[in-house]
Amino acid sequence: AQKITQTQPGMFVQEKEAVTLDCTYDTSDPSYGLFWYKQPSSGEMIFLIYQGSYDQQNATEGRYSLNFQKARKSANLVISASQLGDSAMYFCAMRDRDDKIIFGKGTRLHILP
Amino acid sequence: GAVVSQHPSWVICKSGTSVKIECRSLDFQATTMFWYRQFPKQSLMLMATSNEGSKATYEQGVEKDKFLINHASLTLSTLTVTSAHPEDSSFYICSATGGRTSFAGELFFGEGSRLTVL
Repeated sequence: AQKITQTQPGMFVQEKEAVTLDCTYDTSDPSYGLFWYKQPSSGEMIFLIYQGSYDQQNATEGRYSLNFQKARKSANLVISASQLGDSAMYFCAMRDRDDKIIFGKGTRLHILP
Repeated sequence: GAVVSQHPSWVICKSGTSVKIECRSLDFQATTMFWYRQFPKQSLMLMATSNEGSKATYEQGVEKDKFLINHASLTLSTLTVTSAHPEDSSFYICSATGGRTSFAGELFFGEGSRLTVL
């Protein structure tokens, strides 16, 4: 069965510092996609970054980068130069061959001024 | 990018009544829609997969008679919570895709609907 694990329930980071949010996954399917979503208090799911299982390079989107280590089945999100607006819940997710997305339990990130 | 809209954003109802939540893809044809529920401070749990013109596929533990899903057109899926009870109070989110793709951008989420059952 597919599984996403986020081991950090909450994190506090000083503004302007970089932060790494951990994510490990488990699947027997050779083809999969990995995502990170941000969920502010308003509830909407905001897509941040995507990594395909066959992608050779780590995905980057502005201040977001995904540290993809396939052999270790990890897909950590790195946010550089954190901002107060980055405070939110962050979910790591995996999409299977049926397009279903399963989510980890999430990490609540608090950026301190 | 493509837009998925949910309605209503908030709904409060009395115990025993039924509530319908709509999920619309506004500018693309959604062959598949997914319904999730999220309890406070918890993750999103997939409830069911809805394909246009066919019966929804429910995840284990989700009561299909309680959570009725209809996907009658390529732009609309509805979730009806029948005989709602306070334990059904939750945040319900839909997502939609236009087809199998490796590109993340083609899977879109609605804004969510917060249900409170009194």
